[in-house]
Amino acid sequence: GQNIDQPTEMTATEGAIVQINCTYQTSGFNGLFWYQQHAGEAPTFLSYNVLDGLEEKGRFSSFLSRSKGYSYLLLKELQMKDSASYLCAVRDSNYQLIWGAGTKLIIKP
Amino acid sequence: DAMVIQNPRYQVTQFGKPVTLSCSQTLNHNVMYWYQQKSSQAPKLLFHYYDKDFNNEADTPDNFQSRRPNTSFCFLDIRSPGLGDAAMYLCATSTQDSGANVLTFGAGSRLTVL
Repeated sequence: GQNIDQPTEMTATEGAIVQINCTYQTSGFNGLFWYQQHAGEAPTFLSYNVLDGLEEKGRFSSFLSRSKGYSYLLLKELQMKDSASYLCAVRDSNYQLIWGAGTKLIIKP
Repeated sequence: DAMVIQNPRYQVTQFGKPVTLSCSQTLNHNVMYWYQQKSSQAPKLLFHYYDKDFNNEADTPDNFQSRRPNTSFCFLDIRSPGLGDAAMYLCATSTQDSGANVLTFGAGSRLTVL
């Protein structure tokens, strides 16, 4: 079967750095996405990785290692508004999106 | 602003009473998706349209139907909602069903079944 594993919940402090990991086992690979989802709202796109390495976009960075089936989302200078769920999704060989259940990030003052 | 709009945002229905959720988009995207998401779970794809071509996921119950009368609109019909159908229903669009196409989601329709 195909699966995406992420921690269920993480807690971090305002102003700090947090790394959210995602490991995947899928039938083929055609890109990995990170989405942010605030409680009761729709997911919004954060980042896309298809090649190994780090993609940086402001306070957020995403890393991919295809050989390890591993990605992480790095959030710097955490703000209270970053409290949300972060969903990892992988596009498989059939271009179907396989979603993780998301990591709920709690930011404390 | 171009966007994906879902109506209603909140829907309360009785067990077995049919419900229709709507989605409209101004992005002119050719792919539209319906997802079901329950609390703290991954979004579950119900079906998607590539233009007018309908693609039903194998495990989507027959209780769920969809219509796409034109590029801009898509509907989700739940013929006889059960308690287990209470969830957030998310509509999303994209430009193509391959490559780095990013999904743009609507705000969702939260369904409560009494």
